[in-house]
Amino acid sequence: ETGVTQTPRHLVMGMTNKKSLKCEQHLGHNAMYWYKQSAKKPLELMFVYNFKEQTENNSVPSRFSPECPNSSHLFLHLHTLQPEDSALYLCASSLAGGRDEAFFGQGTRLTVV
Amino acid sequence: QKEVEQNSGPLSVPEGAIASLNCTYSDRGSQSFFWYRQYSGKSPELIMSIYSNGDKEDGRFTAQLNKASQYVSLLIRDSQPSDSATYLCAVNDNTDKLIFGTGTRLQVFP
Repeated sequence: ETGVTQTPRHLVMGMTNKKSLKCEQHLGHNAMYWYKQSAKKPLELMFVYNFKEQTENNSVPSRFSPECPNSSHLFLHLHTLQPEDSALYLCASSLAGGRDEAFFGQGTRLTVV
Repeated sequence: QKEVEQNSGPLSVPEGAIASLNCTYSDRGSQSFFWYRQYSGKSPELIMSIYSNGDKEDGRFTAQLNKASQYVSLLIRDSQPSDSATYLCAVNDNTDKLIFGTGTRLQVFP
């Protein structure tokens, strides 16, 4: 079992749908992250939660809404997405913030049609 | 805007050779530096972290950091075809942000 688990692995959604991505970590970490990876672009940090508090919101459109109910779980709620939002969405966790080593989940491949 | 720069490659090396991957960063306040390997269609996998100037060795991998030059590199000795992947450099500045470069694609040919 991997330390950081993401579900679903693949998701196809229409522009009017609402869906959620889930991330769970079993490493005892306190910081969790959402990243977006598009083709030929660097990994883009979206959100950071440290000890359940959101510490970074990297100018992400409001159609992406994060939720962190506890240090082990992180969600990304999606609504009225655009085709350009199609990408690989990666969750990561670290012990206590960006200075520490971050470990990634397998990612969710999202396609918006 | 804090940046991390990498040559996109591909960097092609023969099996058994040393592969040298380079990364520069813009923020002088950066404190933590990481190398990740990402196979096609997979998520990034941490292979090295380095926090102090100098070299850090782990098996066939050596990370080198020069904060004065704002430069971090990764050497892979005895390169194997299984090392063929994209290598991502990531830099943290003591905030909760971890900034990634675009990655260098490494090809090791038999």
